[in-house]
Amino acid sequence: AQKVTQAQTEISVVEKEDVTLDCVYETRDTTYYLFWYKQPPSGELVFLIRRNSFDEQNEISGRYSWNFQKSTSSFNFTITASQVVDSAVYFCALTLNSGGSNYKLTFGKGTLLTVNP
Amino acid sequence: NAGVTQTPKFQVLKTGQSMTLQCAQDMNHEYMSWYRQDPGMGLRLIHYSVGAGITDQGEVPNGYNVSRSTTEDFPLRLLSAAPSQTSVYFCASSYSVFDRLPGYTFGSGTRLTVV
Repeated sequence: AQKVTQAQTEISVVEKEDVTLDCVYETRDTTYYLFWYKQPPSGELVFLIRRNSFDEQNEISGRYSWNFQKSTSSFNFTITASQVVDSAVYFCALTLNSGGSNYKLTFGKGTLLTVNP
Repeated sequence: NAGVTQTPKFQVLKTGQSMTLQCAQDMNHEYMSWYRQDPGMGLRLIHYSVGAGITDQGEVPNGYNVSRSTTEDFPLRLLSAAPSQTSVYFCASSYSVFDRLPGYTFGSGTRLTVV
């Protein structure tokens, strides 16, 4: 069975601070995908990134960056120079990637990020 | 616009009432699934389908029924609503093999309150 742990339930920062959201995952499979989603107060799920288990390259997209380390089973998300609009719940999630087994996502419990002005 | 359409967006039910949450997608995705989101619990899988006529239980299936008679539609039925089913419900769809991003397409959610 798969498991995703987001140990940080809530994080509060002041605008322009950098913040890292942690994600640790468990799976016995060697092929899988990892995701990050943002859920703003409006409630919809906003896709941020999908990473294949074969691709350990870090990724940067504007103020967002992701650090994928298979050795520690972690897929951490950093927001640089945070802004009030970054305030949201962030979810890390995992699905398998073999034989059409990606029918379900396993989510972490989410981290509520509050960015104060 | 292509995507996953969920209706209704909001619903209040009385204990014991029944209702169906609708989910439709127009991307010809094979896979469809229902999740519920509760505070502090993340999203948990209720039921899923890998194709028309094929459904299976997820992590929290009790109190819910599903069917999939067409590729496009995957309704979720509450036969006798209970307060414990107060939640936000998301429908999602995907291809069996991911192609372009993002992989999964989620509906906008249904906020259900059972009183």
